[in-house]
Amino acid sequence: AQSVTQPDIHITVSEGASLELRCNYSYGATPYLFWYVQSPGQGLQLLLKYFSGDTLVQGIKGFEAEFKRSQSSFNLRKPSVHWSDAAEYFCAVLPAGGGADGLTFGKGTHLIIQP
Amino acid sequence: IAGITQAPTSQILAAGRRMTLRCTQDMRHNAMYWYRQDLGLGLRLIHYSNTAGTTGKGEVPDGYSVSRANTDDFPLTLASAVPSQTSVYFCASSDLSGLQFFGPGTRLTVL
Repeated sequence: AQSVTQPDIHITVSEGASLELRCNYSYGATPYLFWYVQSPGQGLQLLLKYFSGDTLVQGIKGFEAEFKRSQSSFNLRKPSVHWSDAAEYFCAVLPAGGGADGLTFGKGTHLIIQP
Repeated sequence: IAGITQAPTSQILAAGRRMTLRCTQDMRHNAMYWYRQDLGLGLRLIHYSNTAGTTGKGEVPDGYSVSRANTDDFPLTLASAVPSQTSVYFCASSDLSGLQFFGPGTRLTVL
């Protein structure tokens, strides 16, 4: 069965500093890959997705992620964080081709922004 | 506005009571899902439906049931609620590419 690992439960970054959130997956074939963000008390918002093609994908709010097949990773990055980026971030995978079995989520990384 | 609605927004429920969480989408997506979110565990799939009339079990289906009488609605029922079902519940639907859209969630507390 597929699994998703987000090794960092909490990350603290100073405002204006760069950010990288790690995500590793375990799956037989390259799945579809997603990053979602959840602000406190809110639902999930899609930041970006990778289905195929260019391994560097751009998302909303200045985020990007790079798919590295050799490392089974899909790390999320942002060059300069803003206080409004404080939230919970989830990496998720889906079998390639879509499938209807639902997403498999990592346990999330809580991002704290220091002034 | 197209999207997914969930009701109620929040609910406090006595253990042993029956509860149905409602989910409606207006995007005509075939596939729909129910997840629960618990601190430190992320989101876990409870049940899913590939199309109207069919349902399937996810990772944590015990104590929950679903039905899919039509394309738009996908209610989740707790037949006899227990405190371990205290959670935030998210409904989602997906388009043909597999991209999932989430509802705003229902916060359920079982006492």
